[in-house]
Amino acid sequence: DTGVSQNPRHKITKRGQNVTFRCDPISEHNRLYWYRQTLGQGPEFLTYFQNEAQLEKSRLLSDRFSAERPKGSFSTLEIQRTEQGDSAMYLCASSLRQTATNEKLFFGSGTQLSVL
Amino acid sequence: DAKTTQPPSMDCAEGRAANLPCNHSTISGNEYVYWYRQIHSQGPQYIIHGLKNNETNEMASLIITEDRKSSTLILPHATLRDTAVYYCIVIVGYNYGQNFVFGPGTRLSVLP
Repeated sequence: DTGVSQNPRHKITKRGQNVTFRCDPISEHNRLYWYRQTLGQGPEFLTYFQNEAQLEKSRLLSDRFSAERPKGSFSTLEIQRTEQGDSAMYLCASSLRQTATNEKLFFGSGTQLSVL
Repeated sequence: DAKTTQPPSMDCAEGRAANLPCNHSTISGNEYVYWYRQIHSQGPQYIIHGLKNNETNEMASLIITEDRKSSTLILPHATLRDTAVYYCIVIVGYNYGQNFVFGPGTRLSVLP
């Protein structure tokens, strides 16, 4: 168990540029989640996948945001035409959905995005 | 919105028990209580969860009141490494996703 890996750890970009983040979940985990966190707040749900299917998207996920999980393994989160308000920590989590009562999320260390 | 209410901050002396309260007065019968914590610059870490019985694991104990309207996370012997933000979340086990809502949590400071 190598844990959830996120790359890059930090990203600085100029407003209007596109950015892409990658998340590698724990290998046998079938669910993958994306969250966003701003300073002093708890993480906010963005979207999640079960295997390769994107099952739910938050209303926070504007059309500039897109997430994929090809082949049900790693996932990417792309933000197009970044805005200063997109500056945040983007967290990925994975879980092994075995039963409905015992799902635990394992989080990566996040990607800190700064939009200048 | 989060279905839980937690104090914004607490202090605890190193080596003493840290008792973190959480109110969830609107919890329904099939909702679980989960606790996560987030140490600075890291992602949240699962601690423990329960439905109505008290639970204990290697990290902590969870005490849920009989009416299930509140719970307490207990760290029996707090260390400096337990300084973190602690989140209490109520969720139906099969309905993760946008219903898994992190509130602002409790910032626990363990003091030497």
